[in-house]
Amino acid sequence: GAVVSQHPSWVICKSGTSVKIECRSLDFQATTMFWYRQFPKQSLMLMATSNEGSKATYEQGVEKDKFLINHASLTLSTLTVTSAHPEDSSFYICSAAGRGGQPQHFGDGTRLSIL
Amino acid sequence: AQSVTQPDIHITVSEGASLELRCNYSYGATPYLFWYVQSPGQGLQLLLKYFSGDTLVQGIKGFEAEFKRSQSSFNLRKPSVHWSDAAEYFCAVGPTGTASKLTFGTGTRLQVTL
Repeated sequence: GAVVSQHPSWVICKSGTSVKIECRSLDFQATTMFWYRQFPKQSLMLMATSNEGSKATYEQGVEKDKFLINHASLTLSTLTVTSAHPEDSSFYICSAAGRGGQPQHFGDGTRLSIL
Repeated sequence: AQSVTQPDIHITVSEGASLELRCNYSYGATPYLFWYVQSPGQGLQLLLKYFSGDTLVQGIKGFEAEFKRSQSSFNLRKPSVHWSDAAEYFCAVGPTGTASKLTFGTGTRLQVTL
C-alpha cells in the first residue's frame, strides 16, 4: 500500500529555534499534502493544505508565518515551525493524497517538544 | 458544515468478543467516509473507506463498516477482537474526490482485556 514517510519522528529543542519536519510520499505522487496537529487524547486538527507548486491554504487560526509549509515537489512537503515555543509542543502528522480518487495516507507523526 | 460524532470515548471489550464502534456524520451531500486506526505515538492507518456502491465495506484486519444513509451512520464492526486491536479509532468524512479536507471525529479508544 501507499507509504508516507515523516521525519523526524521525535525532536526536542530549545525555545526560539526553528524546526523542520519532512513528509515524503514514497511510492506515489502526492498532489496534495495535509498537515495536522494533535494534542494528547484529542482528534486531529487540520492546520493547512498544500498543493504541489502553490502556496499552502491555512485553516482559520493557524499562523502562516509561524508554520511555514513548502510543497516543492510531488513527493515532498515540509513544515517549519519558526521560533518555536513551549506552546508549540505537540504531535504533528502529515498526510498525502494522489490523483485518481485515492484516500489520504498518513505519516507516523512527529512529536515536537520545546523546552 | 460537516461534522462527525463518535459517541463513545472509551470502549473495553474482551478478546474474542465482537466489536462495534459508532460513527454519525452530518454532511450536505454524498459523503466520502473513512475509518482510521492510530496506535500510540503513531500516525493513522486507513482501515476502510466508503464512497458508493455496496453499503457494507470490508477493510483490513478483519474490520467492516456499514453505511446507513437513513441513520447518517457508518459504524465499524469486527466479529472477534484481538488484543492487538487496542488503539484509537477515528471516523472521518469528506467531500468526494482525492484531495479534500477530512473532518475527523474525536476518536474512540479501544481497550482489549485478555
